Amino acid sequence: ETGVTQSPTHLIKTRGQQVTLRCSSQSGHNTVSWYQQALGQGPQFIFQYYREEENGRGNFPPRFSGLQFPNYSSELNVNALELDDSALYLCASSKDRGGDGYTFGSGTRLTVV
Amino acid sequence: AQSVTQPDIHITVSEGASLELRCNYSYGATPYLFWYVQSPGQGLQLLLKYFSGDTLVQGIKGFEAEFKRSQSSFNLRKPSVHWSDAAEYFCAVEHAGGTSYGKLTFGQGTILTVHP
Repeated sequence: ETGVTQSPTHLIKTRGQQVTLRCSSQSGHNTVSWYQQALGQGPQFIFQYYREEENGRGNFPPRFSGLQFPNYSSELNVNALELDDSALYLCASSKDRGGDGYTFGSGTRLTVV
Repeated sequence: AQSVTQPDIHITVSEGASLELRCNYSYGATPYLFWYVQSPGQGLQLLLKYFSGDTLVQGIKGFEAEFKRSQSSFNLRKPSVHWSDAAEYFCAVEHAGGTSYGKLTFGQGTILTVHP
């Protein structure tokens, strides 16, 4: 079975720009969660999508938005980028919102300059 | 609010020595508990998880963890550390109900250095 794939692996954006990060969930998983991991910190929950609906959201502003597609892949969109958005963005997939655990991708390293 | 505390930011051990990484949580109900490992620049790999039942949980790579409800702890142990265990370790609690169902709350992480 394939694992969780994230793209791109790295990117550099300018403050004020918009970015889209992509995640392909593991086969058989219908839930995708996104996390932001700043340098030296633990991951922070952004939001979760279950069967194409947002299923919960962490303490992030509305300029962080997402989508989940019928094949359960997902996008994370961030508008009006700020320097503090520089982080590793991790995607995790699971079956039925959690249950048996989460499979994480290798992440996208976003640098905002 | 739910929280996870890993008191040790950095631990150094010699190869072959035993290891214990501490994790304490604050949560209103019986939590689902996890330990993940992260190598530099990489994603998170699940080491083990506790949902219910036997409080001593076996994981991959020779790791185990013990859930102690009375101490709100879920410490990770390994009897003999290998150089390849050098990484950052995260303890996490899953919210099992309410509007935050499925959300993982992570500790700050413990960096493990292994000396030859």
